[in-house]
Amino acid sequence: DARVTQTPRDKVTEMGQEVTMRCQPILGHNTVFWYRQTMMQGLELLAYFRNRAPLDDSGMPKDRFSAEMPDATLATLKIQPSEPRDSAVYFCASASNTGELFFGEGSRLTVL
Amino acid sequence: GESVGLHLPTLSVQEGDNSIINCAYSNSASDYFIWYKQESGKGPQFIIDIRSNMDKRQGQRVTVLLNKTVKHLSLQIAATQPGDSAVYFCAENIRPPHSGAGSYQLTFGKGTKLSVIP
Repeated sequence: DARVTQTPRDKVTEMGQEVTMRCQPILGHNTVFWYRQTMMQGLELLAYFRNRAPLDDSGMPKDRFSAEMPDATLATLKIQPSEPRDSAVYFCASASNTGELFFGEGSRLTVL
Repeated sequence: GESVGLHLPTLSVQEGDNSIINCAYSNSASDYFIWYKQESGKGPQFIIDIRSNMDKRQGQRVTVLLNKTVKHLSLQIAATQPGDSAVYFCAENIRPPHSGAGSYQLTFGKGTKLSVIP
């Protein structure tokens, strides 16, 4: 059963610490998205990649967030330094050329 | 700016009844629309989609209706079951200019919580 895998599922950290979230897209999917979900803002697109190349990261605070795809099986989202306002659920999603997005289960981040 | 919005933030229905969840969009350039279901603690799950050249599409117990004249999208769930309880999101896609097939950026609405009363 193909699925998007995200780690960690839950992360509690202190303000100022570095946080790295990882995502394994579905094998063969060439487009990977990072979304952030909060009660106030809903689902917001942070960045997305096609064939490992970043296409749009305009939704991501550049000063502390960075997203990369070291290879086709791994996407990372890093926050350094983390702040309490970064507390949210971060979702990774992948898609093939047919367009349907498949979401992972999310990484719940709490920054104290 | 233009955005996707929802008419009803919460909806309670009796088991067995039909549910209708509504969504308004304001970007006339949107060419593709999707409904997602999100259960507690899980990621959004694709339900059904529709392209802007269609006005209706049916799936298993679900129907999506698109009214481009008034920029309105709805999701109809027939014979609602307790397992349908979740938050439902509509999303619109605006294909970036000069992009290839399959290129898109989804904008999600805030969501409607559907509660099914047994």
